[in-house]
Amino acid sequence: GEQVEQLPSILRVQEGSSASINCTYENSASNYFPWYKQEPGENPKLIIDIRSNMERKQTQGLIVLLDKKAKRFSLHITDTQPGDSAMYFCAASPSSSGSWQLIFGSGTQLTVMP
Amino acid sequence: EAAVTQSPRNKVAVTGGKVTLSCNQTNNHNNMYWYRQDTGHGLRLIHYSYGAGSTEKGDIPDGYKASRPSQENFSLILELATPSQTSVYFCASGDNANSDYTFGSGTRLLVI
Repeated sequence: GEQVEQLPSILRVQEGSSASINCTYENSASNYFPWYKQEPGENPKLIIDIRSNMERKQTQGLIVLLDKKAKRFSLHITDTQPGDSAMYFCAASPSSSGSWQLIFGSGTQLTVMP
Repeated sequence: EAAVTQSPRNKVAVTGGKVTLSCNQTNNHNNMYWYRQDTGHGLRLIHYSYGAGSTEKGDIPDGYKASRPSQENFSLILELATPSQTSVYFCASGDNANSDYTFGSGTRLLVI
C-alpha cells in the first residue's frame, strides 16, 4: 500500500540542541500533514500540522516545513528538553485511493540527553 | 468533553478464542479507524468506517473483522485469536475534512 517514509527511526540529541525528523510521501494530491507525539504508554497526540497552502508553520518551539515539489515535509524541534523525549509520527492525507485516511510514517524515537 | 474511549484497556486471550475490542466516540465524527502498533512498524491500519453500517479493509485486515453498528461505536473482532495478534490496538475518529484524528487510549492485547 501507499507509504510515508520517516527518518531517522532513532534520534538522540543533547539537551538544548535541535532535532529534525524528515518524511516523504507518494501521493501528490496529499494536502494535510499532521505530526503526533506519543509518550510511553500513551496514545498519539497532535502537536502541529501543516496544509498544502503553506510552506512553513511554527508554534511553541516546533517548526514544520513542507516541500510539495519534493513531496517532503519535516519537523524541527528547537531547544530540545528532556520532556521532548518521545515517539514522533508524521502522517499525510488523503491517500491515493481518495479515501480520507491518514497514512502514518513508521515513527522516530527521540531521546534528549541531559 | 469529546473523546474516544476504548475497552478493555488490557486483555489476555487464549489462542483460538474470540476477542472483541470496543471503541466509543463522542466527537460525532463520521470516520473511525482501528490501528495496531508494533515496534518497528508504527501505526498500521486494520479496518476503518465512513459511518454507521460501513466497514472497509485497511492495509492489514487479515484475521480481523469490524463492526460499526452506530455513529458512536466501532468494534474490532478477532474470531480466532493468534499470538501474532499480540499488540497494542488504537481506535481513532476523524472528520470528513482533512483534519487530525482523536485517538483512544489503546488496548494492550496479549494472546497466549
